[in-house]
Amino acid sequence: GDQVEQSPSALSLHEGTGSALRCNFTTTMRAVQWFQQNSRGSLINLFYLASGTKENGRLKSTFNSKESYSTLHIRDAQLEDSGTYFCAADYTEGADRLTFGKGTQLIIQP
Amino acid sequence: GPKVLQIPSHQIIDMGQMVTLNCDPVSNHLYFYWYKQILGQQMEFLVNFYNGKVMEKSKLFKDQFSVERPDGSYFTLKIQPTALEDSAVYFCASSGQDTQYFGPGTRLLVL
Repeated sequence: GDQVEQSPSALSLHEGTGSALRCNFTTTMRAVQWFQQNSRGSLINLFYLASGTKENGRLKSTFNSKESYSTLHIRDAQLEDSGTYFCAADYTEGADRLTFGKGTQLIIQP
Repeated sequence: GPKVLQIPSHQIIDMGQMVTLNCDPVSNHLYFYWYKQILGQQMEFLVNFYNGKVMEKSKLFKDQFSVERPDGSYFTLKIQPTALEDSAVYFCASSGQDTQYFGPGTRLLVL
């Protein structure tokens, strides 16, 4: 079935540094959503992308629909960026459903 | 941003009992969803709902599960009877044309 491969599974960064998370998809899809799940378990919407690149503050996301992957770049990481980051693929038209990756656990160290 | 509310935030019940999880979606949204997350694992789609009907359900949406949104009020997920493996966090989501917005989840513990 449709799957989402997310990497890395865990990542540790020092404050002020940056890195990229990646999701690979098994087939073409309509869009991707990125979320941060915080320590309380709440899912925070970061991006919805049907194509191209979006930027919001220290975060930037790109969706390459032709090659079926998406990236999330974090720069100048802050302590509050810690959490688990999920990408989710919207594979279907109409009343869609999201297929989630297994997440990247991000720890920001002082 | 748009807010989805879920009631209750936590629920503990005995195996075999019935439970109803309530979701107050974003007011002008037409599509509604339930997802299940077992502790430490990825989010899994259960069901979506549009125009008073279930559009699609996954294998996780067992016969003991049902959803409804009577008279445009709460969008509910009912489990009857509950089983131990139903212990998880259940997230409700709603959407308009594209972005799905998630509630804070209901933590269900079945004893």
